[in-house]
Amino acid sequence: DIVMTQSPDSLAVSLGERATISCKSSQSVLSTSSNKNFLAWYHQKPGQPPKVLIYWASTRESGVPDRFSGSGSGTDFTLTISSLQAEDVAVYYCQQYYSIPYTFGQGTKLEIK
Amino acid sequence: QVQLQQSGPGLVKPSQTLSLTCAISGDSVSANTATWNWIRQSPSRGLEWLGRTYYRSKWYNEYAVSVKSRITINPDTSKNQFSLQLKSVTPEDTAVYYCAREIYHFDYWGQGTLVTVSS
Repeated sequence: DIVMTQSPDSLAVSLGERATISCKSSQSVLSTSSNKNFLAWYHQKPGQPPKVLIYWASTRESGVPDRFSGSGSGTDFTLTISSLQAEDVAVYYCQQYYSIPYTFGQGTKLEIK
Repeated sequence: QVQLQQSGPGLVKPSQTLSLTCAISGDSVSANTATWNWIRQSPSRGLEWLGRTYYRSKWYNEYAVSVKSRITINPDTSKNQFSLQLKSVTPEDTAVYYCAREIYHFDYWGQGTLVTVSS
């Protein structure tokens, strides 16, 4: 199984400031045939299911604000929120869909400082 | 717009079978571009993918090793839904269970069902 490890476990950022979350996979999730990274980012608010923000490591889901961006390749990935808004308070997860079983990171709790 | 509506009991006794259903609207369980998944979430295990069913000229199922001996996911084309059965449950199976559509990533999720295993 591919193990996904996020850092930090929790993060407090001031409104309008940048938030950065890291995700590392235990093996590469880059497909050499498609040159795509099989990596998605979600956030989850209390009482709701996770919602996809980014897929293919850097493609923003339709309707997701452009302050959210994803980067990285292979085994190292980053989610960046360029200017934190109050509604961004949530738990953030990365997930690999390169191989079964699909696996998630442990989550990063993002709060307002 | 795709919607997934979950149904099923929130309380199951130990050693019994957990059964949940996910009704699909806006897509087809037989669509050859999607897979239909069950995922659970608990404080101890985090988000855990359990398995999926999908149609690619014939039906396929894939399951997580951790539950493979106890799980069945079945499509129901007549009702456009799919189901989860997890046998011989223990308190460790207590979790919020989600159904989700996958087209590479999980783009649509059910609302979640808290299932508690307790006598």
